[in-house]
Amino acid sequence: TQLLEQSPQFLSIQEGENLTVYCNSSSVFSSLQWYRQEPGEGPVLLVTVVTGGEVKKLKRLTFQFGDARKDSSLHITAAQPGDTGLYLCAATSYGKLTFGQGTILTVHP
Amino acid sequence: NAGVTQTPKFRVLKTGQSMTLLCAQDMNHEYMYWYRQDPGMGLRLIHYSVGEGTTAKGEVPDGYNVSRLKKQNFLLGLESAAPSQTSVYFCAVKTPRDRGLLFSGANVLTFGAGSRLTVL
Repeated sequence: TQLLEQSPQFLSIQEGENLTVYCNSSSVFSSLQWYRQEPGEGPVLLVTVVTGGEVKKLKRLTFQFGDARKDSSLHITAAQPGDTGLYLCAATSYGKLTFGQGTILTVHP
Repeated sequence: NAGVTQTPKFRVLKTGQSMTLLCAQDMNHEYMYWYRQDPGMGLRLIHYSVGEGTTAKGEVPDGYNVSRLKKQNFLLGLESAAPSQTSVYFCAVKTPRDRGLLFSGANVLTFGAGSRLTVL
């Protein structure tokens, strides 16, 4: 069974702070996605990374895929209340998609 | 969540009752999925379909049945609901985002808004 461990599970910070969410596994993945989910809605794709060591930036969000393609991180700079939500990583291995358990981020004004 | 519509959004059932959740897509994609989401457990795959007339079991299929009679629709059924099936259910459609991803094997999903089911 492929497992994706996300940490931390909960994160409560003040507006303007930086944060990093991690997604780790012992398995090698062909690709990894990060999704963001708001209450009452389905997850929405933020980014897909496919190459080991790849770094992608989406405004204040920076995503990195580990060199060995076993882990990933999401870094948010100067967090804003609008960043509040559930962040999910999801990775593909041999055609099977596995989700992490999610990180609930709350950014206080 | 444009393109993937789930009905109903909310439903309360008594133990033993049956019901069907409907997922409809207007994107003409082949792959459709049903997930359940429970606190602290992420999204778990119930059943999926790789095309019209086909279905397959996912990670947690027990107690559920599915049908894909039309390409646009993927139905999830509960024949005899149990309290353990209280959850939020999401339908998803596999939607490659760009040409590069088509050859990368990346499974990119577009989700519906979810259906919250409570079984008493």
